[in-house]
Amino acid sequence: DQQVKQNSPSLSVQEGRISILNCDYTNSMFDYFLWYKKYPAEGPTFLISISSIKDKNEDGRFTVFLNKSAKHLSLHIVPSQPGDSAVYFCAASWGYGNKLVFGAGTILRVKS
Amino acid sequence: EPEVTQTPSHQVTQMGQEVILRCVPISNHLYFYWYRQILGQKVEFLVSFYNNEISEKSEIFDDQFSVERPDGSNFTLKIRSTKLEDSAMYFCASSDEGTGRNEQFFGPGTRLTVL
Repeated sequence: DQQVKQNSPSLSVQEGRISILNCDYTNSMFDYFLWYKKYPAEGPTFLISISSIKDKNEDGRFTVFLNKSAKHLSLHIVPSQPGDSAVYFCAASWGYGNKLVFGAGTILRVKS
Repeated sequence: EPEVTQTPSHQVTQMGQEVILRCVPISNHLYFYWYRQILGQKVEFLVSFYNNEISEKSEIFDDQFSVERPDGSNFTLKIRSTKLEDSAMYFCASSDEGTGRNEQFFGPGTRLTVL
């Protein structure tokens, strides 16, 4: 089941620069896309989401872009901070109360 | 800030034994979920629960698994006869409607080790 794909296993970025994490999906029925951050031995923490009727959503340093025609979304973190180092999961769902389908995750390392 | 809690944080059991993983979802939430993450793999959906019944379950959630909301606050996952391949982190999550973000709030997880 590869409905949500994160093709980059890891990303390394210098502190203060932009981090761009990418995600692709195959199921056109998805109507919400979410990004979660996860530290080792902790549960995923919600960062930001976007509805399929939008193409951009911004919350502080985090911006998510959605390109429905390409079935692609990205998370931009500006500026990146060492505390942002974690695993980032892209997830998708349809409607309220339904399961999240997760990508494999991208390990982000922000170097100071 | 309200949060989802899970107990125990780590459970070690022998193959074939029954385990019960416990969760306290956020109090005003209506939807409850269990996910698991086998080491090095992606987070996988197991089951969702709404209005005191299962709303969806995955292929993983076979007859060895069951969920229950025994009272107004707890949500449990039972594995009747554990197998080695059940070793994983198990995450409980909860959500409600109306936030416009469709997020689910996850607990810290229970690490299940089956020997």
